Amino acid sequence: GAGVSQSPSNKVTEKGKDVELRCDPISGHTALYWYRQSLGQGLEFLIYFQGNSAPDKSGLPSDRFSAERTGGSVSTLTIQRTQQEDSAVYLCASSLVPLTSGAGTQYFGPGTRLLVL
Amino acid sequence: AQSVTQPDIHITVSEGASLELRCNYSYGATPYLFWYVQSPGQGLQLLLKYFSGDTLVQGIKGFEAEFKRSQSSFNLRKPSVHWSDAAEYFCAVGARYKLSFGAGTTVTVRA
Repeated sequence: GAGVSQSPSNKVTEKGKDVELRCDPISGHTALYWYRQSLGQGLEFLIYFQGNSAPDKSGLPSDRFSAERTGGSVSTLTIQRTQQEDSAVYLCASSLVPLTSGAGTQYFGPGTRLLVL
Repeated sequence: AQSVTQPDIHITVSEGASLELRCNYSYGATPYLFWYVQSPGQGLQLLLKYFSGDTLVQGIKGFEAEFKRSQSSFNLRKPSVHWSDAAEYFCAVGARYKLSFGAGTTVTVRA
């Protein structure tokens, strides 16, 4: 596609349920990132993928959060046993290469708005 | 670790007036610097970026930013704002792969 796409655009779930958020990066982009945007914390880095591997998962808030990437393309962020504090906008970004040059510029998707009741 | 400060939480500007948004960063090496804009309910759109070279960079929608190493700043400017510039603006510093964002500045444009 022309840009990064994410689905669903909105998700409402009940506390304790699991949710999956999907990201389709720009075709050919080897690097993929997940960020979280919340009122209290602003924009936070969650995880970075280079190809299918995740060299840095340091931003994942707890072990309830996990992510995978398959085929060097689509990524899924999974939140298990959701809590109200997980309510936020989850943004995905991709870049041609990691951030070492202009080609490493990150392009963002529209985000998934998650509300945990 | 890198960090970004945007001192102004909210700025109101008249349509046609000039706009300057402040950004200060902290990073030990030469930074990669970015400005993104976010309209309500939308994702982040890249306005401009600085990697090296000319310290005055031009972006989309008539925006420009100047990198000043001595002041650790990367302020965003626009000579004449349009009502469509009302949005939230984020400055970010990048290192290796991760972006660290400022808290954002909300711009309101009055007629």
